[in-house]
Amino acid sequence: QLVLTQSPSASASLGASVKLTCTLSSGHSTYAIAWHQQQPGKGPRYVMKVNSDGSHSKGDGIPDRFSGSSSGPQRYLTISSLQSEDEADYYCQTWGTAFRVFGGGTKVTVL
Amino acid sequence: QLQLQESGPGLVKPSETLSLTCTVSSDSISSSSYYWGWIRQPPGKGLEWIGSIYYSGNTYYNPSLKSRVTISVDTSRNQFSLKVTSVTAADTAVYYCARERSNIPDYWGQGTLVTVSS
Repeated sequence: QLVLTQSPSASASLGASVKLTCTLSSGHSTYAIAWHQQQPGKGPRYVMKVNSDGSHSKGDGIPDRFSGSSSGPQRYLTISSLQSEDEADYYCQTWGTAFRVFGGGTKVTVL
Repeated sequence: QLQLQESGPGLVKPSETLSLTCTVSSDSISSSSYYWGWIRQPPGKGLEWIGSIYYSGNTYYNPSLKSRVTISVDTSRNQFSLKVTSVTAADTAVYYCARERSNIPDYWGQGTLVTVSS
């Protein structure tokens, strides 16, 4: 069964960087994933797709401060030069032929 | 700019049917490039995929909800809809509709809260 695992929380200071991790379950290490951002009280927003080779493609209007990478079954989202508006929940998501699945989300706090 | 807007009752009684519609603006729901999906989020919890539909009517459903969920499309109105039967308090959530490109929701609606209560 395909499961995505995320740490519940992460924090970093204003202007610093934070790296979020999404781990694919055993046997699914080649899957691509997508990251979605949900600011407080708002609907989610697509951030980027991250492939198994680390290549990534961003959604419309996503700043250059957001980047993606991969290592084995882990997919990363790095936010550089943290801004106050980056404080949000971040969900990873993947898919198969006839399904989609979300990770549990990581709450990012900007200190 | 693509817009998706959910609409429907905000309160549904237990055992009844939840019905929502998503209206798509500034894009054609009949485009061959996209699926259209429903995702929900219980209060204070994470996202759960409900199901997705193609303009032709081809559907995929979350196995955990499949027996109670129907998603349909109305290309003439540029809308797609969700029905969940036999609802309980566990179905209380914010329901989002979204456009899916290559299996990824790349545009989301603002969401609508549906409460199941008598």
